[in-house]
Amino acid sequence: NAGVTQTPKFRVLKTGQSMTLLCAQDMNHEYMYWYRQDPGMGLRLIHYSVGEGTTAKGEVPDGYNVSRLKKQNFLLGLESAAPSQTSVYFCASSYAGTQETQYFGPGTRLLVL
Amino acid sequence: RKEVEQDPGPFNVPEGATVAFNCTYSNSASQSFFWYRQDCRKEPKLLMSVYSSGNEDGRFTAQLNRASQYISLLIRDSKLSDSATYLCVVKPTGTASKLTFGTGTRLQVTL
Repeated sequence: NAGVTQTPKFRVLKTGQSMTLLCAQDMNHEYMYWYRQDPGMGLRLIHYSVGEGTTAKGEVPDGYNVSRLKKQNFLLGLESAAPSQTSVYFCASSYAGTQETQYFGPGTRLLVL
Repeated sequence: RKEVEQDPGPFNVPEGATVAFNCTYSNSASQSFFWYRQDCRKEPKLLMSVYSSGNEDGRFTAQLNRASQYISLLIRDSKLSDSATYLCVVKPTGTASKLTFGTGTRLQVTL
């Protein structure tokens, strides 16, 4: 039981390049989330999903797209990376309903030059 | 005003000391409250939920004051392993399972 895993762990991009971050969970959770964490800003929600095939915008969605084609996977895409997207990205998942504990992946450190 | 505010610290305390953190939230309709712990360069992990009547888990005590809109975390008999950043987390009403995170309070426990 791996919990929540993220790929890759670290990536360097040039401005304008694209990439996809993969999040996978093996806990059969309905809800999945993408956050970014920046110094002094705390964790901010980018996009989230309440089930397979559904996604919704969070607090800071601009410049990102997501897809949830399979229940266990949640992909975060950067179409044209910008230096402002340099951050640590965390994926999380949780059960639906009253259980609100979110389980986080180990994070992806992204540097955009 | 930030939705969730915390003193960033750092709080430097000797082993065995008692330390307390406060956190204030702006949305009076918030319904659920948590403390998460985040070790350096690691992911956040749930430490404990915060209940209206206050709750305790070993050396950790959490309290909620709805009238003043703040929650607190008390750590007794601090251990070196308690060194981490403690995130105050609030779930506003009507937001499914979305959580709002504070920026965290850093604790450093020393010998």
